[in-house]
Amino acid sequence: GAVVSQHPSWVICKSGTSVKIECRSLDFQATTMFWYRQFPKQSLMLMATSNEGSKATYEQGVEKDKFLINHASLTLSTLTVTSAHPEDSSFYICSARDAWASGTSGRRNEQFFGPGTRLTVL
Amino acid sequence: EDQVTQSPEALRLQEGESSSLNCSYTVSGLRGLFWYRQDPGKGPEFLFTLYSAGEEKEKERLKATLTKKESFLHITAPKPEDSATYLCAVSGAGSYQLTFGKGTKLSVIP
Repeated sequence: GAVVSQHPSWVICKSGTSVKIECRSLDFQATTMFWYRQFPKQSLMLMATSNEGSKATYEQGVEKDKFLINHASLTLSTLTVTSAHPEDSSFYICSARDAWASGTSGRRNEQFFGPGTRLTVL
Repeated sequence: EDQVTQSPEALRLQEGESSSLNCSYTVSGLRGLFWYRQDPGKGPEFLFTLYSAGEEKEKERLKATLTKKESFLHITAPKPEDSATYLCAVSGAGSYQLTFGKGTKLSVIP
C-alpha cells in the first residue's frame, strides 16, 4: 500500500516552454500533497504544499506564478513549470499523506514519495 | 525554525561491518521523526516513523532509535544492497511539512 506515481519520469524541453508533472496516489486518498525539488548531491527542498480543493501554499522564495500547482482531486496533483529556463532543471519529487489514516501512531503523519521527475531545460 | 543535521555525510563500510548514522534535530513540538532511504535517481522510500524519546523500531538489518535531541539508525551486518543515501526528517507541531537533513551516503563494499 501507499504507492505514489509520477508522470513523466523524465522530460527534456526547450527554454521558454511549459512542462506539466503529474503526481497520483494510487491506493489511497490524499488531501495534502507536497512538491519538492532536489539538486544534485543536495537534500529535498520543499517548494509547496498542495491541498485538495484550495490554493497551494508556497515556501518562501518559490514563485507561485512560475510553479503552478493544481490539486483537483483526492488522488491527483499537478505541477506546471511555466516558461522553463535552464536553471529550473532539477529533480522534482512529490509526496502524499493518507487522508484517512488514523491516530498519531498510524500512517497519518507519514509522507509517501513518488519516484521523481527529472527535468532538463535546454 | 526546524533544523536537522545528519552525520557523517558519507560512510563506507565493509560487508558485515555494523555502524550507526546520526540525526540531530531541533523542532518546536515533535510530531514525528522520519527515516527514508533514497537510491540514485529515485524518490525516497519510507523506512520508519518515531514519535517519542525511547522509541525503537526495526526492519531487517535496520534499527532506529530516538532521544529528545537525536536519532540513530543502526545498521547491523550490512550488505551491498544497503548502499543508498539515508535521509532523516522531522515534522513539528501544527504542520505536516517535513524538514530534511542532507543525508548520509552509505556505501557497503563486498
